[in-house]
Amino acid sequence: DTAVSQTPKYLVTQMGNDKSIKCEQNLGHDTMYWYKQDSKKFLKIMFSYNNKELIINETVPNRFSPKSPDKAHLNLHINSLELGDSAVYFCASSQGPYTGELFFGEGSRLTVL
Amino acid sequence: KNQVEQSPQSLIILEGKNCTLQCNYTVSPFSNLRWYKQDTGRGPVSLTIMTFSENTKSNGRYTATLDADTKQSSLHITASQLSDSASYICVVSRDYKLSFGAGTTVTVRA
Repeated sequence: DTAVSQTPKYLVTQMGNDKSIKCEQNLGHDTMYWYKQDSKKFLKIMFSYNNKELIINETVPNRFSPKSPDKAHLNLHINSLELGDSAVYFCASSQGPYTGELFFGEGSRLTVL
Repeated sequence: KNQVEQSPQSLIILEGKNCTLQCNYTVSPFSNLRWYKQDTGRGPVSLTIMTFSENTKSNGRYTATLDADTKQSSLHITASQLSDSASYICVVSRDYKLSFGAGTTVTVRA
């Protein structure tokens, strides 16, 4: 069973469109995250939720809106996509807020044309 | 400036050889330091974790060292295999904040 699963794995879309990425974890963890990995492979935190509550909201355009319906799910919706949004987005989870090991999903590669 | 710097940015080694990756950090004090391995097209996976008081930690052919005085950590790969080709990311934890290095890309050639 996949511990952290995210869909879709690949996403190709036009500028201006709206898209969503979904993430689910079956580890029973309390905390989930969204990271963005750019072309230089640098991982940058975007959001973090602990028990469905937003605890970290880094400097991210408000076109990005996370939503956590329950502690096992964290979705990311992006409005009005721009070329610079092209990247790999990783979902991750941990037992508590930044405690212990981060378990990452396989990543969702977003390409904006 | 990033609080975690890794070097080299990339390296190529022949199968069976050893290599050492460096991680210099300015985060202080810190809770722990982890090395993650990221295979191409996959998410990072934790290799080792070290706390402030630990000097060395091994995981198979991977050995991490930590010098808290100089704020340096290294990851040594022994007898490299083709499957070691990946990016290796150093992550330093302080309180509830994680600082990521940009990673070192290792390519192992037959």
